[in-house]
Amino acid sequence: GAGVSQSPSNKVTEKGKDVELRCDPISGHTALYWYRQSLGQGLEFLIYFQGNSAPDKSGLPSDRFSAERTGGSVSTLTIQRTQQEDSAVYLCASSLRWDSPNYGYTFGSGTRLTVV
Amino acid sequence: AQSVTQPDIHITVSEGASLELRCNYSYGATPYLFWYVQSPGQGLQLLLKYFSGDTLVQGIKGFEAEFKRSQSSFNLRKPSVHWSDAAEYFCAVGARTNAGKSTFGDGTTLTVKP
Repeated sequence: GAGVSQSPSNKVTEKGKDVELRCDPISGHTALYWYRQSLGQGLEFLIYFQGNSAPDKSGLPSDRFSAERTGGSVSTLTIQRTQQEDSAVYLCASSLRWDSPNYGYTFGSGTRLTVV
Repeated sequence: AQSVTQPDIHITVSEGASLELRCNYSYGATPYLFWYVQSPGQGLQLLLKYFSGDTLVQGIKGFEAEFKRSQSSFNLRKPSVHWSDAAEYFCAVGARTNAGKSTFGDGTTLTVKP
């Protein structure tokens, strides 16, 4: 597509429920990144995909968080047994390979997750 | 490990005045450096980037930034600020290894006075 698309744009869930956040990157972008932005905070790295593999999962806060990417395109971030501290804006970005001269993130508009 | 510091949490300037937002980074080699802008209710947009070569880089919306290796800095500048520049600005450093993962600063909020 023309831009990075994230859905839903807003999600309110009850504590303890599972949620799935979706990211549809720009066509042809092989790299995909998930970040989290809490209120008044900077961006916290969660996970990175190159194609369908995830070489760097170092930022996932706990084993309740997981992500997958299929077909080198759409990615899903799943949070199990949500907690109130999971409330944040979840941002997805895609890019060409890091060694491309046109490397640089294109961000989606984010999913605002509220756990009540 | 790479890191970024944006020393100013909040900056206020008058419309038409010049602007400089500070960014200091820590990285063991020559990094990729970026500035992104996040307008209220909007996603983050890439303003400009430094990969190599000329240390003064030009970006969109009249912004520029200068890479100073000796000071580990990548400050963002604009000669004359417009009211529409009010936003939050993030500096980021990207590794040339580790698949180019970027680490972001905590951001600087810019307020523009009429």
